[in-house]
Amino acid sequence: LAKTTQPISMDSYEGQEVNITCSHNNIATNDYITWYQQFPSQGPRFIIQGYKTKVTNEVASLFIPADRKSSTLSLPRVSLSDTAVYYCLVGEGYSTLTFGKGTMLLVSP
Amino acid sequence: EADIYQTPRYLVIGTGKKITLECSQTMGHDKMYWYQQDPGMELHLIHYSYGVNSTEKGDLSSESTVSRIRTEHFPLTLESARPSHTSQYLCASSEVGGNEKLFFGSGTQLSVL
Repeated sequence: LAKTTQPISMDSYEGQEVNITCSHNNIATNDYITWYQQFPSQGPRFIIQGYKTKVTNEVASLFIPADRKSSTLSLPRVSLSDTAVYYCLVGEGYSTLTFGKGTMLLVSP
Repeated sequence: EADIYQTPRYLVIGTGKKITLECSQTMGHDKMYWYQQDPGMELHLIHYSYGVNSTEKGDLSSESTVSRIRTEHFPLTLESARPSHTSQYLCASSEVGGNEKLFFGSGTQLSVL
């Protein structure tokens, strides 16, 4: 399983764009990159998933360079409600997915 | 929105009691998981299942057991609860496929006194 490395924490202010980068140097050919968001006392919630290049949905964008050894989750114009832990997972459907420590994002007024 | 339910939401119980945490999903997903998470800490996979009659142990050793008699149901049982079992237990499900997406329940916060 590809291991991931993310910053432990990040700080931002309301209205700013936040970019969280995840390193996954030993990503396999069949692996997808998936990001989850978790609020305290709740289960993680799927945000976005990609395989290569760029993916965008109503919540975030995911940028994946050609070598796929890293990925960047971009949250446009964050609000206080975006304060949460964000997890980057790398894997494919026939393996178990391991959550790391994630990135604690704190958004301040 | 995903339909995966966990009950109870909170449980406070005495040492030595047998407990079962319920998890059900209505999405027809084959894969189901149990994760354990302490406050501020990472999620640890303790059990998973690929389908009916399939159960596997996860990365973190656990004294709990699971069963998968029906696709939609994946209960977790502790035969004799201890204070060290105090934690949040999260159930999840997914389809089997290359781009697996996990859907989580709201969790059960277990406190063993």
